[in-house]
Amino acid sequence: GAVVSQHPSWVICKSGTSVKIECRSLDFQATTMFWYRQFPKQSLMLMATSNEGSKATYEQGVEKDKFLINHASLTLSTLTVTSAHPEDSSFYICSATNVDTEAFFGQGTRLTVV
Amino acid sequence: DAKTTQPTSMDCAEGRAANLPCNHSTISGNEYVYWYRQIHSQGPQYIIHGLKNNETNEMASLIITEDRKSSTLILPHATLRDTAVYYCIPHGSSNTGKLIFGQGTTLQVKP
Repeated sequence: GAVVSQHPSWVICKSGTSVKIECRSLDFQATTMFWYRQFPKQSLMLMATSNEGSKATYEQGVEKDKFLINHASLTLSTLTVTSAHPEDSSFYICSATNVDTEAFFGQGTRLTVV
Repeated sequence: DAKTTQPTSMDCAEGRAANLPCNHSTISGNEYVYWYRQIHSQGPQYIIHGLKNNETNEMASLIITEDRKSSTLILPHATLRDTAVYYCIPHGSSNTGKLIFGQGTTLQVKP
């Protein structure tokens, strides 16, 4: 299957700082990318949908000013967690797709805010 | 999106077939049934999908009932590496890639 890569795999940051997570589709052009969050022992929760070149669409209850999403090219989307707090500690996962493929997921980024 | 019901957990002996059921009685006519799995601390992995015919690939088989209200994922010879949470997700082509995850089934393959 197609390869989607996330970077970093894990990150520890201080409370109040911002963290950027990258999601790249390595062998196909992703017209749409999705960002999910997963807390321990819970399922994946969709945060937002991003289409290349346009503003992201956020799910209800997700703060768009806190979780900044940029999808500047067909192979890269970024999620920036601004002014992170301990409650933002979670496993963040991206997926990528285009009209011809099913969704492929990155390996996830474990964020710990201390 | 259609709602799904899956058993919370299942055990399977290594080398035996694992049969994972899913009820999706409210699935609409244009929704496929997708199966993904998530091994601990990794991103989900695509397994298989189907509309109404049974499907088979190198990973698994998918059996969909004639009324499409339920399906079964079959791993023919489970290995320890198949231990994971398995998600059944009805998904229409109009929402390309936007997957809504339920709670899934935790499959534990035992030696």
